[in-house]
Amino acid sequence: EDQVTQSPEALRLQEGESSSLNCSYTVSGLRGLFWYRQDPGKGPEFLFTLYSAGEEKEKERLKATLTKKESFLHITAPKPEDSATYLCAVQEGSQGNLIFGKGTKLSVKP
Amino acid sequence: DGGITQSPKYLFRKEGQNVTLSCEQNLNHDAMYWYRQDPGQGLRLIYYSQIVNDFQKGDIAEGYSVSREKKESFPLTVTSAQKNPTAFYLCASSIPGTADTQYFGPGTRLTVL
Repeated sequence: EDQVTQSPEALRLQEGESSSLNCSYTVSGLRGLFWYRQDPGKGPEFLFTLYSAGEEKEKERLKATLTKKESFLHITAPKPEDSATYLCAVQEGSQGNLIFGKGTKLSVKP
Repeated sequence: DGGITQSPKYLFRKEGQNVTLSCEQNLNHDAMYWYRQDPGQGLRLIYYSQIVNDFQKGDIAEGYSVSREKKESFPLTVTSAQKNPTAFYLCASSIPGTADTQYFGPGTRLTVL
């Protein structure tokens, strides 16, 4: 049973076309939700940690939000260099290990 | 510069051979982790260590072994018992806390010939 589900699997945007990526989760006692960016052949790069529902964090064109059942990564006016796979992970209160989703592959065309 | 290094970047192995992947960190983090990444799948936890001389199995530990003799180092051995070892291997580290943000190394791509 999937505990972390990311959608869509792939997203193609034109430069400047804003959109959102979704991460839904079914864990009890959320300790934290994490967003990472991963470029092909490289390790994931940390973006955000969210701890509680209602929390929001921003970095350049990215904004992450959290509710009790899902998180969104909003991308405003994306550029081609934002093309990457975005990974979501959650940490349960009972054990502490991260549970990863399969990622959303974002392509931004000029 | 503080960070996590993994070596080698690419590794080729013949069937039946054991290979060891290196992971070193100079972030002074207590916890270290090994993940495996396959196309179309999320990262899966192989082993983790919260403290020197102690480690625990993750979800897919069969066919792998680790050691943690130093805080900075957490090598992973892929043994001949691992049925499908071809994958991208990622090492991470964190400071245990309220929510343990993990920081990743650049990865090692292992190919079995």
